[in-house]
Amino acid sequence: NAGVTQTPKFQVLKTGQSMTLQCAQDMNHEYMSWYRQDPGMGLRLIHYSVGAGITDQGEVPNGYNVSRSTTEDFPLRLLSAAPSQTSVYFCASSYGWSYEQYFGPGTRLTVT
Amino acid sequence: KQEVTQIPAALSVPEGENLVLNCSFTDSAIYNLQWFRQDPGKGLTSLLLIQSSQREQTSGRLNASLDKSSGRSTLYIAASQPGDSATYLCAVPNYGGSQGNLIFGKGTKLSVKP
Repeated sequence: NAGVTQTPKFQVLKTGQSMTLQCAQDMNHEYMSWYRQDPGMGLRLIHYSVGAGITDQGEVPNGYNVSRSTTEDFPLRLLSAAPSQTSVYFCASSYGWSYEQYFGPGTRLTVT
Repeated sequence: KQEVTQIPAALSVPEGENLVLNCSFTDSAIYNLQWFRQDPGKGLTSLLLIQSSQREQTSGRLNASLDKSSGRSTLYIAASQPGDSATYLCAVPNYGGSQGNLIFGKGTKLSVKP
């Protein structure tokens, strides 16, 4: 099993550009989520999904969109990048909300 | 609202020492508690998941304990090694809010000196 994979590992964007962070898992997990990690703020939930076709907002959803067309993939879209979105982004998955969660290696995003 | 705290924020110990990392939470109605390790520039690696019905969970040199009534968990690392140097995070699932959401502490940065 590859586990949870994320691409790209690093990305630099200019303000106003859009992009998609990719996340995939091969463990047949229903739950997937996106977090951002910032110094002094810890990890905060952006969006999550409880299964294909079902998504919901987390703590800091503004400026981000998600969709879940398959069980395996959960992409995160930045609509119009802002410097405040400079962060490290982690995707996670699990069988359910009360089960062990597995994290991807992260995407380090810089917005100039 | 559930809050998770980890003290100290940083800890430095000599190699071979046994050590304890602390995690406290404000709402004792937790379903489980998970400990993670994060190496610099890397993702989170799950170390142990301890269910609310358990008092302890062990994996190798690691032992996690849970006391729901006092809102505390500890991660015991035996015979520490330089390779244990990392940031250790604890997290609990968010009952009343977003399903699948983990509420994290800010972590303890451990440095084990040779």
